This record gives sequence, C-alpha cells and structure tokens, in this order.
Amino acid sequence: DQQVKQNSPSLSVQEGRISILNCDYTNSMFDYFLWYKKYPAEGPTFLISISSIKDKNEDGRFTVFLNKSAKHLSLHIVPSQPGDSAVYFCAARGLSGGSNYKLTFGKGTLLTVNP
Amino acid sequence: NAGVTQTPKFRVLKTGQSMTLLCAQDMNHEYMYWYRQDPGMGLRLIHYSVGEGTTAKGEVPDGYNVSRLKKQNFLLGLESAAPSQTSVYFCASRTTTRTDTQYFGPGTRLTVL
Repeated sequence: DQQVKQNSPSLSVQEGRISILNCDYTNSMFDYFLWYKKYPAEGPTFLISISSIKDKNEDGRFTVFLNKSAKHLSLHIVPSQPGDSAVYFCAARGLSGGSNYKLTFGKGTLLTVNP
Repeated sequence: NAGVTQTPKFRVLKTGQSMTLLCAQDMNHEYMYWYRQDPGMGLRLIHYSVGEGTTAKGEVPDGYNVSRLKKQNFLLGLESAAPSQTSVYFCASRTTTRTDTQYFGPGTRLTVL
C-alpha cells in the first residue's frame, strides 16, 4: 500500500511560469513533510519542508502548501527556471518513535522547464 | 567536509556473486540509511541504523545485510546477487535533531547480469 503518492510522473512548464507539483498521503500519523530534488546521476538534495502544524512554508521561489484535511501537499515554484528541471520527490515522516527516523517517499515527478 | 560518500560508483556483478557497498559520512551523524531507487518506484528503504552497532530492517530488506561497526561507516552487503537487485543504491545520514533532513550520497549504480 503506497502511503505517499505522486500521481503525475511528469510535468512540463515554460520558463517564467509557475510549476505546481502535487503529493497525496494516506497515513494521518505523518507529522513532517519534505521535498527533495534529484538531478540525473546525483543523490537527492533537500529542498523544503513543512511541519503538520503549519499550512504553508516559503523559501525564495519555493513554497510548500499543506492541506491536512485533504491529506494533500503541493510544491509551487515561481518563476520556474530551466535549472529547476529535475525529479522531485515528496517524502513524509511518521509521528511514532520507531518510524520517526524514517522517511516514506513518493515515486517522484519529473519536471521539465522549457526555455 | 566531503559529506556522504559512496564506494564504488558503478559495479557489474554476475548472478550469485557477492559484494559490499560502502557509505561514509564525516558529519558525525547518528542515523544512516540505505535506499534503492528503481524506475517508477521512487526511493525504498532497505536498512537503517540509529547508531553505531545498531541496524534495523526497512521496507525491502530481503537479500541484503548491513553493518555499522563505526559511526561514520554503514556497509550494505549482497551475499548472492540476483538480477532483481539491479538498481541505484543511495546512502543517507542525518542528525538526531527532530527537524533535520537526510543528506544523501551520490549513489552506486549496480547491474547484476
């Protein structure tokens, strides 16, 4: 059973426009959500996170929104740049002591920003 | 400060061969993790460690063993490689701070023929 779902395998946007990447989760015990960015032949790098007690977190061009009632989060990139082209992974962390150390990842969304 | 490093970067094995992947971190992190990434599957946790001398199973542990004899190193072993273990393997580490993130290595691409 997939607890973190990224239903769009790919997304293509024009440079300068907004990119919106979506993520849904099923486990209400998740308390912390993260987005990672991955370029080909490199490891994932942390991008932005949000605690379950917040509904928005902003860092420069990147904003993450959390809708707990819908169990949905989204990453907005404004304006999108060609260098943002990468795979984006949504990840979630559980509340309980055992799962607190571990992240559950979605399958990723490949974002392509066209010049 | 090299962060998280992985050795080797690439490896080709024949079915039934064994090998060990090495992960090293110089950030004094307590927690370390091994993931595999397969096309369309995202990152799946194989094993993890919350401190020197400790290991625990993740989501897909079968066919792998791990050891954490030193705090800075986390080894992933394949005793008898199978084609299903063809994948890209990532190591990660983090501190015990609750809001800390995981820091990933560059990955090891393993092909089992």
